[in-house]
Amino acid sequence: AQKVTQAQTEISVVEKEDVTLDCVYETRDTTYYLFWYKQPPSGELVFLIRRNSFDEQNEISGRYSWNFQKSTSSFNFTITASQVVDSAVYFCALSEEMSGGYQKVTFGTGTKLQVIP
Amino acid sequence: DAGVTQSPTHLIKTRGQHVTLRCSPISGHKSVSWYQQVLGQGPQFIFQYYEKEERGRGNFPDRFSARQFPNYSSELNVNALLLGDSALYLCASSYPRVQDGYTFGSGTRLTVV
Repeated sequence: AQKVTQAQTEISVVEKEDVTLDCVYETRDTTYYLFWYKQPPSGELVFLIRRNSFDEQNEISGRYSWNFQKSTSSFNFTITASQVVDSAVYFCALSEEMSGGYQKVTFGTGTKLQVIP
Repeated sequence: DAGVTQSPTHLIKTRGQHVTLRCSPISGHKSVSWYQQVLGQGPQFIFQYYEKEERGRGNFPDRFSARQFPNYSSELNVNALLLGDSALYLCASSYPRVQDGYTFGSGTRLTVV
């Protein structure tokens, strides 16, 4: 069974500090997709990134960067120069194709990030 | 383009009642999935529908059911509500596979009293 572990439940940083959110996953499949979502206090899930299991290139998008390492089954997320608007709960998720041909997305328990001004 | 829309946004029901939640996917998306997010936890998979057929079901009791209509909108029904059903219910649409793009709605906050 697939599993996503976000060991950090809550993190507090001072504005402009860098912060890394950890994500470790378990899967038996060779083909899978990894995601990061942001959930601000308003409740909606905001898509940040999707990465397939065959693409281990790290990605940078503005202040956000992601480090995917298959060898350690990790998909970590770094926010550089954090801002108050980054305060939210961040979820890592794993998608696999199940028998029956549907895709199931398994979420971690989330990391609550608080950026203090 | 409108995103995934869910209605109602908030709902209060009494134990034992029935509830219907609605979801309209992004135009062109044929797959709809439902998730339950209990406070403090990550979303849990309930159902996935594609082309009006149930493709997958998570570990939820038979009190939970869903359907998808010809226009790809979907309803989630929960019977005999329990206090533990209080949660944020999220709908996500994709075309046709999750890995092609998976967009969540803002959710319906259900409170069972």
